[in-house]
Amino acid sequence: RKEVEQDPGPFNVPEGATVAFNCTYSNSASQSFFWYRQDCRKEPKLLMSVYSSGNEDGRFTAQLNRASQYISLLIRDSKLSDSATYLCAVNLGNQFYFGTGTSLTVIP
Amino acid sequence: NAGVTQTPKFQVLKTGQSMTLQCAQDMNHNSMYWYRQDPGMGLRLIYYSASEGTTDKGEVPNGYNVSRLNKREFSLRLESAAPSQTSVYFCASIFASNQPQHFGDGTRLSIL
Repeated sequence: RKEVEQDPGPFNVPEGATVAFNCTYSNSASQSFFWYRQDCRKEPKLLMSVYSSGNEDGRFTAQLNRASQYISLLIRDSKLSDSATYLCAVNLGNQFYFGTGTSLTVIP
Repeated sequence: NAGVTQTPKFQVLKTGQSMTLQCAQDMNHNSMYWYRQDPGMGLRLIYYSASEGTTDKGEVPNGYNVSRLNKREFSLRLESAAPSQTSVYFCASIFASNQPQHFGDGTRLSIL
């Protein structure tokens, strides 16, 4: 079983739409959680950390549900520039486990 | 403000050749990581170094060796390259284990 599972999509949404991604993790001892954005053929870049109480950064909201072992990312008012692949990451000890990524295309 | 620097950016090898991928970070980070990324597979950990002087295997270590040369540098060596090692390789570093990783911009490696 994979440590982290993520729906690969693709998600194709119109500009202005709200879209949500989920990511489940298998180890309840997982300690820290992150969302990364990866543009085509580029390196992953940190979008936001995910805190237990949930956190927001502009149009982006991240949630953690430890009981059900998933994290989520909500993007409101989607922009064309949000088109990318979104990776979730989970930290367990010294290792990090990544989902395979969810592809988002925002359509004009 | 370089962050994590990987060299080379691109490389083409023939089967059986050897090469070393270099990674250096200037953020005084303690831990460094090597990943490979293949289509549909996500990022898979090859090796990591939790601190200077230590290295550990990740999910896919076969065919690779690493050296943590000092706190700044962590190299990945392919002793006898195989076509299955064609991939994009990313180096990453963190200061502490609950911090997010910072990535280099990758090495695109093709093995013919």
